Amino acid sequence: SQQGEEDPQALSIQEGENATMNCSYKTSINNLQWYRQNSGRGLVHLILIRSNEREKHSGRLRVTLDTSKKSSSLLITASRAADTASYFCATVNAGGTSYGKLTFGQGTILTVHP
Amino acid sequence: DVKVTQSSRYLVKRTGEKVFLECVQDMDHENMFWYRQDPGLGLRLIYFSYDVKMKEKGDIPEGYSVSREKKERFSLILESASTNQTSMYLCASSWGRLNTEAFFGQGTRLTVV
Repeated sequence: SQQGEEDPQALSIQEGENATMNCSYKTSINNLQWYRQNSGRGLVHLILIRSNEREKHSGRLRVTLDTSKKSSSLLITASRAADTASYFCATVNAGGTSYGKLTFGQGTILTVHP
Repeated sequence: DVKVTQSSRYLVKRTGEKVFLECVQDMDHENMFWYRQDPGLGLRLIYFSYDVKMKEKGDIPEGYSVSREKKERFSLILESASTNQTSMYLCASSWGRLNTEAFFGQGTRLTVV
């Protein structure tokens, strides 16, 4: 079953602008992760935020997590054409037997125009 | 450099054929996963394995089986391929139980005709 929704489904911006993508989920989680996928390729891990964290940074990426609203956002600052890709959030459910099993959202397609 | 390798990038098979998709990881990871990806549906988990010879069903296991005889290798088997199994198949592996990232292979685009 899909964990939740990502918003927007597609985002088109100019180079240098910021891009914000949102993710909602349904169940109690242990952590939430963001992945990037270039067209027709595998996924690459970007960042992991644990359920007891509210914000995390990695380079130009900023992730927030609001467990009371069951939502997360990914901000990419000063975007570049090379950031063009699909972005997915994925959750690991709370509980000891999840084995790191990820449940994915449907993704946001980001296009950055030079 | 960590690596998850899927045996084929593109595959075309006929309806009714038995199809094997192979995945190998070189990171000594405990967990391995098979997902399929379809437009508008995101990634859906087919099967996963948390140890050699152990397997658990994911969200859409019907029509598939898996095999994990060695820690580094996880095979997805389509017992009798059907056109609705045309999809992108992604293999992934990870450490441990909870706070761990997954590493993905490059994907196999399977077309069943």
